[in-house]
Amino acid sequence: QVRLVQSGAEVKKPGASVKVSCKTSGFTFTDFYMHWVRQTPGEGLQWMGIINPNGGSTTYAQKFQGRVTMTRDPSTRTVYMELSSLRPEDTGVYFCARVSIVGEEPFDFWGQGTLVTVSS
Amino acid sequence: EIQMTQSPSSLSASVGDRVTISCRASESVSTWLAWYQQKPGKAPNLLIYVASTLQSGVPSRFSGGGSGTSFTLTISDLQPEDFATYYCQQAQTFPYTFGQGTKLEVK
Repeated sequence: QVRLVQSGAEVKKPGASVKVSCKTSGFTFTDFYMHWVRQTPGEGLQWMGIINPNGGSTTYAQKFQGRVTMTRDPSTRTVYMELSSLRPEDTGVYFCARVSIVGEEPFDFWGQGTLVTVSS
Repeated sequence: EIQMTQSPSSLSASVGDRVTISCRASESVSTWLAWYQQKPGKAPNLLIYVASTLQSGVPSRFSGGGSGTSFTLTISDLQPEDFATYYCQQAQTFPYTFGQGTKLEVK
């Protein structure tokens, strides 16, 4: 079955970086774009960006440009999201989610979420 | 970016009721609109995509409609498991954007 399993909760200090992983299984890795979406108390659900599993090209939301980096490792079917220069308002739950390259469905499967807490 | 506005922000209803949630986009998204249900501590769950297509496995009491800038999610014959928060999301243009959510509570 389709599974997106994310890494565990993180606690970081302001100014630090965090790297969240999302290990996939149960589907053809190269058939689905992988997106990152976060949910914060202040701003709700926010789309952060997308990575193409074929070649690794990315598109980031302007809000996160310069602070976010998305990568993938096809050998382990894992995608990563690194967010730098963390501030307290980055505290929230970070999700990976897949979108079919050829279908019309948006985020049909999601990871379980990773809580990132930014506090001094 | 396209702004998505849901109404109402919260809604009280009883089991067996029919409820409708609205979502308005700041510019046309054609039918590139999805609806999700989220329960506390869980990831959102896809209900409807391209405005009116029911995701596999989602009960038929959920239905969606609309196009352009105005959309609705209707839940007929509310069941206890339907009390949750609902979000719309446009998939027309990056950045994808979500509504602020509608919390459906037990009356």
